[in-house]
Amino acid sequence: GQQVMQIPQYQHVQEGEDFTTYCNSSTTLSNIQWYKQRPGGHPVFLIQLVKSGEVKKQKRLTFQFGEAKKNSSLHITATQTTDVGTYFCAGNAGNMLTFGGGTRLMVKP
Amino acid sequence: EAEVAQSPRYKITEKSQAVAFWCDPISGHATLYWYRQILGQGPELLVQFQDESVVDDSQLPKDRFSAERLKGVDSTLKIQPAELGDSAMYLCASSSMPREWDEQFFGPGTRLTVL
Repeated sequence: GQQVMQIPQYQHVQEGEDFTTYCNSSTTLSNIQWYKQRPGGHPVFLIQLVKSGEVKKQKRLTFQFGEAKKNSSLHITATQTTDVGTYFCAGNAGNMLTFGGGTRLMVKP
Repeated sequence: EAEVAQSPRYKITEKSQAVAFWCDPISGHATLYWYRQILGQGPELLVQFQDESVVDDSQLPKDRFSAERLKGVDSTLKIQPAELGDSAMYLCASSSMPREWDEQFFGPGTRLTVL
């Protein structure tokens, strides 16, 4: 079946440093979604990417969808303590949405 | 702002007992999902409803889990009998369109502990 892998599993950064998480799918995706889950909270939708090579920005967050539509990345510029949480990608392939294992971001003030 | 409601927020039970979780999606959302999230992992889809119909329950352990959405609004997920390995967060989500093309709104979840 479809598998979605995320790396790294954990990331500690100093406040102000950049952060990137990578998402890789075993199959070609029709689209990919990103969610953020704060500690003790529930996943909250961030963005959806549909087109090959698509890049979208939300303030300090940059999302990319690979040309082959099998990978994606989320980059945060100049992290802040409010960025703490786990970031999940969720890939759609063949009418099935599969979440990655997530990358847990910890930010030291 | 409209939210997905879930109850209870926490449930502690002994193995072999029955448990039930309730979810009320955002008003007007036709699609409802139940997920299981084990600590440190991503959500895993258990069942998807479109109105009152099940459209995907391929990952639902049907020997012990059941789900219903009788009037196409709120939904109940039941486990009987509960096993130790069922300890997890059970998340409900809803969307206005089928999952492939629309964001999902998650509820606060029910944290289940099976002793």
